[in-house]
Amino acid sequence: QQQVKQSPQSLIVQKGGIPIINCAYENTAFDYFPWYQQFPGKGPALLIAIRPDVSEKKEGRFTISFNKSAKQFSLHIMDSQPGDSATYFCAASKATGRRALTFGSGTRLQVQP
Amino acid sequence: GAVVSQHPSWVICKSGTSVKIECRSLDFQATTMFWYRQFPKQSLMLMATSNEGSKATYEQGVEKDKFLINHASLTLSTLTVTSAHPEDSSFYICSARDQGYNSPLHFGNGTRLTVT
Repeated sequence: QQQVKQSPQSLIVQKGGIPIINCAYENTAFDYFPWYQQFPGKGPALLIAIRPDVSEKKEGRFTISFNKSAKQFSLHIMDSQPGDSATYFCAASKATGRRALTFGSGTRLQVQP
Repeated sequence: GAVVSQHPSWVICKSGTSVKIECRSLDFQATTMFWYRQFPKQSLMLMATSNEGSKATYEQGVEKDKFLINHASLTLSTLTVTSAHPEDSSFYICSARDQGYNSPLHFGNGTRLTVT
């Protein structure tokens, strides 16, 4: 059972564009939703995270929008740059217990110069 | 910020041998660490939860006798792939979080295992 569904699988934008990556979750016990960036051969690096008590969070060029009723959240990258080309993963975890992350399937983003 | 160090970054071994991967939290103590596995162009799949001072908790379908986990201290967890086979070739990544409810999960840089 895929608990976190991510789309699109891949995305190509021009420099300066605003790629949007979407995720949907099923488990209402999830209460922590981070986004990770991964470059080839490296481990994922935390970009930004949100909890369900807010609908939007901004950190630099990265924005998370969160819709609790729809059980969806998305990542927006403002003024995208070629250096943003990477694979992006959304994830979710519960508030209690081990709090291990369940990851989405990933989105390969390519920002063209 | 919190740093998780993983070693080695890559390893090649022959079928039937065992390989140990180390995961260290460098500037914080971690009572819990997580081991993930990632196949090329795929997502991260949780293999097991490493608990300091107690047995690891394995996800369904992960062979505990094949993937031995030892969390000997608050800063070190090891994953040993025993009797490795070519199908065990993968990217193994550990992660840990500092103590505190809002602490994020930080990942090591992964270990690329190739079994020949």
